[in-house]
Amino acid sequence: QLLLQEPGPGLVKPSETLSLSCVVSDGSISSGSYYWAWIRQPPGEGLEWIGTIYYTGSTYYNPSLKSRVIISVDTSKNQVSLRLTSVTATDTAVYYCARQRYQLPNSFDPWGRGTLATVSS
Amino acid sequence: SVLTQPPSVSGAPGQRVTISCTGSSSNIGAGYDVHWYQQLPGTAPKLLIFGDTNRPSGVPDRFSGSKSGTSASLAISGLQAEDEADYYCQSYDSRLPGPVFGGGTKLTVL
Repeated sequence: QLLLQEPGPGLVKPSETLSLSCVVSDGSISSGSYYWAWIRQPPGEGLEWIGTIYYTGSTYYNPSLKSRVIISVDTSKNQVSLRLTSVTATDTAVYYCARQRYQLPNSFDPWGRGTLATVSS
Repeated sequence: SVLTQPPSVSGAPGQRVTISCTGSSSNIGAGYDVHWYQQLPGTAPKLLIFGDTNRPSGVPDRFSGSKSGTSASLAISGLQAEDEADYYCQSYDSRLPGPVFGGGTKLTVL
């Protein structure tokens, strides 16, 4: 069964960089059949797509976050990573990684458990 | 949110409820697929319906999806207490461009 894990730092100071990784277990990130996405959910709020990457390194970002986001892939470690720079309190959220089908219909499935990142001094 | 959902719906056990998801000509109305996710309290979202009407393996047939024009709907029949959760619709928006979600609907089983 595919398992996505996103261990994270938990607490990040304002203006610093949030860094998260998503380790894919029991499935190859290089299969070519899937994209890999990051999605976040502020406490008590809805879901927001952050960005998506293909194993080749092609990336697609939400325009509202594009200037601060870098998503990368490491096929040797079977993991994707998220870096969000210049964070503020509004970036406090649970961050999920999710697999997205390359072919239509490209829904998100499965999702990782999520990791809460809190921005606070 | 780009996709509009009612904040809450409720129903008694055994009843049928529907959750609407209203978009526009740049997303649902353009023919892009609609997907639905169920988020139980304290857990990650789980895919419930994909490609407008399809259920992943393991999802009960009490859950069904439909789409017409610029809107989509999720129907849940034979409500059970375990269905109490937040439900999100998702599609693709050509103006963003990228995936977009509805604001979520909290289902309460009375």
